[in-house]
Amino acid sequence: RKEVEQDPGPFNVPEGATVAFNCTYSNSASQSFFWYRQDCRKEPKLLMSVYSSGNEDGRFTAQLNRASQYISLLIRDSKLSDSATYLCVVNMVNTNAGKSTFGDGTTLTVKP
Amino acid sequence: DVKVTQSSRYLVKRTGEKVFLECVQDMDHENMFWYRQDPGLGLRLIYFSYDVKMKEKGDIPEGYSVSREKKERFSLILESASTNQTSMYLCASRPLAGGGTGELFFGEGSRLTVL
Repeated sequence: RKEVEQDPGPFNVPEGATVAFNCTYSNSASQSFFWYRQDCRKEPKLLMSVYSSGNEDGRFTAQLNRASQYISLLIRDSKLSDSATYLCVVNMVNTNAGKSTFGDGTTLTVKP
Repeated sequence: DVKVTQSSRYLVKRTGEKVFLECVQDMDHENMFWYRQDPGLGLRLIYFSYDVKMKEKGDIPEGYSVSREKKERFSLILESASTNQTSMYLCASRPLAGGGTGELFFGEGSRLTVL
């Protein structure tokens, strides 16, 4: 079983749709959580951090459920420019530099 | 803004050649990382460094070595490139603050093809 699992998709949605991505992690000692966005042939870039209280940034909402070891990302009113791969990242401090474990990513295509 | 610069965006090498991938960051970050990214396998950690001259193996270190002689520079070395090392290589850095649980800043990646 992978440490971080995501539904690979692809998710194909029309503009304006609401779409939700899920991510589960296996290590209960994990300490911090992020969603990254990666465009085709580009590097991953931080989209948002994920907190237990939930956090929102414009059309994007991230949630963390520690009891269920589950992270989610909700995108409302999808735009064409949201088309990308979304990576779930889980961090823990078990080495001198911290360990970041990546999900394989969920691919989103937003269509006109 | 944090800048992580990888020296080569695209490289084509032959089997058996020695390959150097250079990475420089300008934000005085203590921690630096090398990942490779392959379709269906996600990002996998090759090596990381938490200080000058310090290095630790990641999940897939075989066939690779690294060097960190200066804080800002972290090099990945393929001593004898093989075709299964054809991949996208991503360098990243992160500050020590937060105990290593903070955001990773990535370079643009180096796409290596080994013929």
